[in-house]
Amino acid sequence: AQSVTQPDIHITVSEGASLELRCNYSYGATPYLFWYVQSPGQGLQLLLKYFSGDTLVQGIKGFEAEFKRSQSSFNLRKPSVHWSDAAEYFCAVGESGNTGKLIFGQGTTLQVKP
Amino acid sequence: GAVVSQHPSWVICKSGTSVKIECRSLDFQATTMFWYRQFPKQSLMLMATSNEGSKATYEQGVEKDKFLINHASLTLSTLTVTSAHPEDSSFYICSAPHRTHTDTQYFGPGTRLTVL
Repeated sequence: AQSVTQPDIHITVSEGASLELRCNYSYGATPYLFWYVQSPGQGLQLLLKYFSGDTLVQGIKGFEAEFKRSQSSFNLRKPSVHWSDAAEYFCAVGESGNTGKLIFGQGTTLQVKP
Repeated sequence: GAVVSQHPSWVICKSGTSVKIECRSLDFQATTMFWYRQFPKQSLMLMATSNEGSKATYEQGVEKDKFLINHASLTLSTLTVTSAHPEDSSFYICSAPHRTHTDTQYFGPGTRLTVL
């Protein structure tokens, strides 16, 4: 069965510092991978997605993620964090056949120190 | 961009009553919508797939008689929590894939249900 693991429940970084949020997946074939951000009172917003092709994916708000098949990972990165990036981040894998169903990781809460 | 709305954004009800939550795609049509449940500080768990004009498909372990789903039109799906109990208190989120960009899900802002 497909699964997604986000090993870090809570991360705190200083504003301006770099960020990496980890995501590991379990899937037999090439997965559809997503990163979403959830802010209070707002719906989940798609940051970026990977289906195929270039393994380094650029997203919105300066985020990027790299798909590494050998490590079953899809880590999210940002070179310089802004205070407004504080939120809950979810990694998700799409069900085979791209049915639209998503399996989410546990989420990582990002806190940004001034 | 595509927008999905949910109504109400929060609701408090007494144990034993039923609560209806609406999910609307505001500027696009969605033949399929998804309902998720999120417990505090936890992940989203898929509950069911709502299909326009046909029965919903429920994930394993989700009581279909407890969580009634109706997808009456291409822009509206409803989730009714019947005979709600305190353990049904949760954050309910819907999503809809864009009809032409089906690889992208648009999420509603969620509905906070508290059952007293």
